[in-house]
Amino acid sequence: EVQLVESGGGLVQPGGSLRLSCAASGFTVNSNYMTWVRQAPGKGLEWVSIVSSGNDTDYAESVKGRFTISRDNSKNTLYLQMNSLRAEDTAVYYCARLSGGETAMSLWGQGTLVTVSS
Amino acid sequence: SYELTQPPSVSVSPGQTAYITCAGHRLGDKYASWYQQKPGQSPVLVIYQDNKRPSGIPERFSGSNSGNTATLSISGTQGMDEADYYCQAWGSRNGDYVFGTGTKVTVL
Repeated sequence: EVQLVESGGGLVQPGGSLRLSCAASGFTVNSNYMTWVRQAPGKGLEWVSIVSSGNDTDYAESVKGRFTISRDNSKNTLYLQMNSLRAEDTAVYYCARLSGGETAMSLWGQGTLVTVSS
Repeated sequence: SYELTQPPSVSVSPGQTAYITCAGHRLGDKYASWYQQKPGQSPVLVIYQDNKRPSGIPERFSGSNSGNTATLSISGTQGMDEADYYCQAWGSRNGDYVFGTGTKVTVL
């Protein structure tokens, strides 16, 4: 079955760090564009980061310099390392696979909740 | 930064057509996608590259994109179509992804 399963969310204090994981099955992450999207409680969707099949990366301005996207091909897993976390980073984080010429997010995980609070 | 604006809510009677708009500067020059999100669930792609339907998405979902506005149409709307809908634009480079503000569709 083709699916994405996120893990690693939880409660962290402001200034802390967390690493999210996104395990893929049914396809290989290293041959696809992969992305992270977040959704603050009761709010809309916000694009966070992308890694291309060629390993190019990009980030939303709101997380640039604090978050790092990466993948482990041997584990077929996508990661999001989040440092210097702020209260406004509180959200459900989704990983997704891009398709349609990398224009759209065709496969989503179930999401993992990150809460930044003291 | 680029912004996409959607109406906060749209109401439609069962069996009628719902139209959800998404406005952005020269949006027609970009590719538009649409996502359906039901409470407590992950988003689902319903339209990509302006007017293409992924496998498994009913034909009653259709899209268009021209000028400054993209539109998602849901014909023969059913109760199961009640959800939040988000548009998303992609320009021409990595990182050029923007979501709209979201529209709650209610089937009365």
